[in-house]
Amino acid sequence: DGGITQSPKYLFRKEGQNVTLSCEQNLNHDAMYWYRQDPGQGLRLIYYSQIVNDFQKGDIAEGYSVSREKKESFPLTVTSAQKNPTAFYLCASRRTEQETQYFGPGTRLLVL
Amino acid sequence: EDQVTQSPEALRLQEGESSSLNCSYTVSGLRGLFWYRQDPGKGPEFLFTLYSAGEEKEKERLKATLTKKESFLHITAPKPEDSATYLCAVLSGGSYIPTFGRGTSLIVHP
Repeated sequence: DGGITQSPKYLFRKEGQNVTLSCEQNLNHDAMYWYRQDPGQGLRLIYYSQIVNDFQKGDIAEGYSVSREKKESFPLTVTSAQKNPTAFYLCASRRTEQETQYFGPGTRLLVL
Repeated sequence: EDQVTQSPEALRLQEGESSSLNCSYTVSGLRGLFWYRQDPGKGPEFLFTLYSAGEEKEKERLKATLTKKESFLHITAPKPEDSATYLCAVLSGGSYIPTFGRGTSLIVHP
């Protein structure tokens, strides 16, 4: 089945620790996105990538980093510099010639 | 700057009680308006994309419509399984990044 997978479903971070969230898609989509979702707020863009080996910061990139070494994969690292990382993280992808984004199932990050 | 406002924030319906959710938007050159359904603890599920005023799309009990200033998601004879948060987003101009509204939380009571 084609789709977007995110892992893990739940992730616990200790203070001062870097953690990496996985996002993989087999839809052959060129563009991939990372959003953060907090209760009562809309989706906020962290990073996005239009092609392999290229990515741009979104509205709230501070404390996060990404890589795009393969078309299928767009991992997000939450660094120790992100002081309030507790949130629901969503990965999305899109075909270049289409406007619609499709989302993965999400990862909930909690701080111990 | 693109803006999207969804109303109401929350809506409670009885099973079978039809209603509409509103998405008002301000953009410079609409390329697409999107509706998603999101269940608690899950990622948004794509429902519809609308491209131009007057366009309508339907799926089961849901019907989305679009004008130059807003979109409506009409829910006909809703069932409890329609309970979810419904998100609206717009894409404008040459942007690759949609602007999302904060969503409408719908609860349908049996």
